[in-house]
Amino acid sequence: NAGVTQTPKFQVLKTGQSMTLQCAQDMNHEYMSWYRQDPGMGLRLIHYSVGAGITDQGEVPNGYNVSRSTTEDFPLRLLSAAPSQTSVYFCASSLGGANVLTFGAGSRLTVL
Amino acid sequence: EDKVVQSPLSLVVHEGDTVTLNCSYEVTNFRSLLWYKQEKKAPTFLFMLTSSGIEKKSGRLSSILDKKELSSILNITATQTGDSAIYLCALCKGGGADGLTFGKGTHLIIQP
Repeated sequence: NAGVTQTPKFQVLKTGQSMTLQCAQDMNHEYMSWYRQDPGMGLRLIHYSVGAGITDQGEVPNGYNVSRSTTEDFPLRLLSAAPSQTSVYFCASSLGGANVLTFGAGSRLTVL
Repeated sequence: EDKVVQSPLSLVVHEGDTVTLNCSYEVTNFRSLLWYKQEKKAPTFLFMLTSSGIEKKSGRLSSILDKKELSSILNITATQTGDSAIYLCALCKGGGADGLTFGKGTHLIIQP
């Protein structure tokens, strides 16, 4: 099993550009989520989904969009990148609820 | 507002030492407390503690939940250089769909 796969692993953007971070899981997990990790801040929840067609906002949703058209995929879209969105992004999934999460390897994003 | 506070933020010990990492929390509607280990990339799950399972052990690692004191400790005995990592404490509340609230982590360094 591949688990949770994130692409790309690294990305550099200019301010104002848009992009999509991809996340796919092959464990048939209903729950999927996106976190960002910044030095000294810990992991903070951006958006989450409890199943296909259902998404909701986390702690820091501004500047990000998500959709969940299938159980497997949960892409994160940056609408107009800002330097404050420079971070490491983790996608995570679980069978039910947000307890024992399986994390992807992370995507390091730099916005210039 | 929910809060998770870990201490110390960083710790350097010698191989063979025993370490105790602390996590205190404030949350409404507590469901579970989780510990993760983060080496270079994705956090990996260590333990989940609930009202019905307040003590967990796996090899040299063990964890206890004190619901009265709203805290948890993670113990590592006979430390090895491979234990060097960031240890994250996280809270899950309510129905579990709202995502995990993470502490800032304890950066543990084991010197040979």
